[in-house]
Amino acid sequence: GNSVTQMEGPVTLSEEAFLTINCTYTATGYPSLFWYVQYPGEGLQLLLKATKADDKGSNKGFEATYRKETTSFHLEKGSVQVSDSAVYFCALQQGGSWGKLQFGAGTQVVVTP
Amino acid sequence: DVKVTQSSRYLVKRTGEKVFLECVQDMDHENMFWYRQDPGLGLRLIYFSYDVKMKEKGDIPEGYSVSREKKERFSLILESASTNQTSMYLCATKPPGSSPEAFFGQGTRLTVV
Repeated sequence: GNSVTQMEGPVTLSEEAFLTINCTYTATGYPSLFWYVQYPGEGLQLLLKATKADDKGSNKGFEATYRKETTSFHLEKGSVQVSDSAVYFCALQQGGSWGKLQFGAGTQVVVTP
Repeated sequence: DVKVTQSSRYLVKRTGEKVFLECVQDMDHENMFWYRQDPGLGLRLIYFSYDVKMKEKGDIPEGYSVSREKKERFSLILESASTNQTSMYLCATKPPGSSPEAFFGQGTRLTVV
């Protein structure tokens, strides 16, 4: 079956540091890939997405590239802010699956001033 | 603005009680989902519905049931609450198709004592 593996957290960084969160997946065919973010006390919201190989999703300074050859979708940001402190979830959606999402375990990111 | 509203942010229930978690959306989306979020496990799909009165089991349906009598409302039912159902519950909606994002409610933190 499908699965998503994320690096474990928490990840603690200083403001303006570079952030990478690794995500790899197992799926048949060409799933769509997503990063969702959960700020403290809130539900999840979409951060970025990519629907085919070599697509790059980007939003709010975050980027991730759909790498079919390495089955990866790593999240990066060049200079984090305290407001980026949150839990980040990598997820995939298989085509024809009614929109069901398969999530990774989540990675907590803590950015200190 | 998209709105997915869960009826309670926090609930405390006793073992053996029947518990109802309600979710209402205002986007006219066909697909609705109930996920459970636990530390280190990410989000896991309990049930989903692709139309009124239509439901499908997700990955962890045991101990739960659902009801969708109207398009905008999707209820999760714990027939006899147990302590291992203490968790964060998240409702989501999604229009049909592979790429559109899912919209999440703010979550209900349920504690079963």
